[in-house]
Amino acid sequence: ETGVTQSPTHLIKTRGQQVTLRCSSQSGHNTVSWYQQALGQGPQFIFQYYREEENGRGNFPPRFSGLQFPNYSSELNVNALELDDSALYLCASSLGPAGETQYFGPGTRLLVL
Amino acid sequence: GIQVEQSPPDLILQEGANSTLRCNFSDSVNNLQWFHQNPWGQLINLFYIPSGTKQNGRLSATTVATERYSLLYISSSQTTDSGVYFCAVEAQGGSEKLVFGKGTKLTVNP
Repeated sequence: ETGVTQSPTHLIKTRGQQVTLRCSSQSGHNTVSWYQQALGQGPQFIFQYYREEENGRGNFPPRFSGLQFPNYSSELNVNALELDDSALYLCASSLGPAGETQYFGPGTRLLVL
Repeated sequence: GIQVEQSPPDLILQEGANSTLRCNFSDSVNNLQWFHQNPWGQLINLFYIPSGTKQNGRLSATTVATERYSLLYISSSQTTDSGVYFCAVEAQGGSEKLVFGKGTKLTVNP
């Protein structure tokens, strides 16, 4: 059984560019949640995808968008990057959308210059 | 939305000492997890514990849901226990999935 994987591990972009981050969920999990962790802070919930539909969203602007595919892997897209988007982006998968243990991937470190 | 407060924010121990980390939350929850974040950023699951008590080796956790707090106990601490410990909760009926506290930074000195 493979765990949650994320790609790429590190990424450097410039302000105004667009970025796509990828997450493969743990085998048997149908739910993926994305979090942003700024330096020195706890992770903040961005959104969750359950069976290919968005199922809850945190306080992030619409330029943060996502997808979930039939195999339950997921993408996080960020348009018009800003300096404050520099952070560790974490995805977590779970057996269901609520009340289930979330298992986190290793994260993608994004630096926006 | 639900509020999560962790204490203490920082903790420095000598190897072999015991410690208790606390997590207070402001509403009923259907998920509470404790994590250890290693220096590379990986969040390692310690416990899924919306209520009750669990133990895993030197670590144990207790959540008293009716009083809205959880405790993480670390016994006989080792240098490898160093890192940041996060408590995260999911409110019953809430739209945010996991809401994290600000963490407790634990340093265990040899």
